[in-house]
Amino acid sequence: AQKVTQAQTEISVVEKEDVTLDCVYETRDTTYYLFWYKQPPSGELVFLIRRNSFDEQNEISGRYSWNFQKSTSSFNFTITASQVVDSAVYFCALSEYQGNKLVFGAGTILRVKS
Amino acid sequence: GAGVSQTPSNKVTEKGKYVELRCDPISGHTALYWYRQSLGQGPEFLIYFQGTGAADDSGLPNDRFFAVRPEGSVSTLKIQRTERGDSAVYLCASSSSHEQFFGPGTRLTVL
Repeated sequence: AQKVTQAQTEISVVEKEDVTLDCVYETRDTTYYLFWYKQPPSGELVFLIRRNSFDEQNEISGRYSWNFQKSTSSFNFTITASQVVDSAVYFCALSEYQGNKLVFGAGTILRVKS
Repeated sequence: GAGVSQTPSNKVTEKGKYVELRCDPISGHTALYWYRQSLGQGPEFLIYFQGTGAADDSGLPNDRFFAVRPEGSVSTLKIQRTERGDSAVYLCASSSSHEQFFGPGTRLTVL
């Protein structure tokens, strides 16, 4: 069975601080995909990134970066120099293979204060 | 281009009633998914369509829930004899490859 754990229920930071959101996953598959989604107060889930299990290269996109460590089954997400607009719920998710259902973690509420 | 749209945005019904929730996927997307999100939780998978057929309906909680996608585009999620525990946000997503793009959801409240 697949499982995604986001141990941090809520994180509060002050603007310009760096923050890391943790994600640990469980799967028996050798091929799988990992995702991060953002859910702002408006409610709509916004796709941020997809990673396949064969690509352990870290990725950076602007202030966002992702660290994929297969050895620890983790896919952590770091926001550098956080901004108030980053305040949202962030979900980590896993799928077995292309086109399959997503298994989501419980989410981490990020509050960035000015 | 238009994203995934869902109607209605809000639906309030009484226990025991029948409801239909509609999803319009992104044009050309062959895969369509339904998820349910309860307050404070992550979305939970309900059903997945590839074209017109349900490729995986393992997430439907019981036989009161049913979904169709007759022409491989628009999908309708149908809930019979609604119960208070069905109250949640129902999310639809569509995909043409790996990424799933989500709609704004329908907030269902069963009184």
